[in-house]
Amino acid sequence: AQTVTQSQPEMSVQEAETVTLSCTYDTSESDYYLFWYKQPPSRQMILVIRQEAYKQQNATENRFSVNFQKAAKSFSLKISDSQLGDAAMYFCAYLNRDDKIIFGKGTRLHILP
Amino acid sequence: DAMVIQNPRYQVTQFGKPVTLSCSQTLNHNVMYWYQQKSSQAPKLLFHYYDKDFNNEADTPDNFQSRRPNTSFCFLDIRSPGLGDAAMYLCATSNTGDPPLHFGNGTRLTVT
Repeated sequence: AQTVTQSQPEMSVQEAETVTLSCTYDTSESDYYLFWYKQPPSRQMILVIRQEAYKQQNATENRFSVNFQKAAKSFSLKISDSQLGDAAMYFCAYLNRDDKIIFGKGTRLHILP
Repeated sequence: DAMVIQNPRYQVTQFGKPVTLSCSQTLNHNVMYWYQQKSSQAPKLLFHYYDKDFNNEADTPDNFQSRRPNTSFCFLDIRSPGLGDAAMYLCATSNTGDPPLHFGNGTRLTVT
């Protein structure tokens, strides 16, 4: 069975600075998807970024980028120029062949003004 | 805008009194999911549907059931809610082989 591990329960970053959230996963599958979801205090889960495992190029969405290391089974999220609106719980997630998404325990990100 | 809608946003029920949460989608996705999320925890998958095919997680309590009468609607029934069932319940949809999941706003269930 697949597992997703986020080792940082909480992190803080100064506004306008850069922060990296860590995620590792375990799987025997060769083809899969990875995601970072954001859950603000309003609680709706919002997709931040996705990565297909067969793609070597790291995904980027504006200020959000990932460092995908397939061999190491690592999938970190970098947020550049942090903004107050980035404060949220961030979940790393893995989508398996059965279309089931497995979440990590989350990292709560605080943005310091 | 196409979306996933959950009603109600907040639901209060009494211990042991059956309750139904609803989810509708305008995305025409074939897969629908129900997740339970307790405070400061990751969402936990309860079950999901491929079209009308129901898939139950092994550790989902028998107290939880679901119905999907058509593509657009899915219901979560809690037959005899206990205090431990108080949580946020999230509905999500996707198309097979075409992630990601799209989530609704959730229903926060309180059991008194």
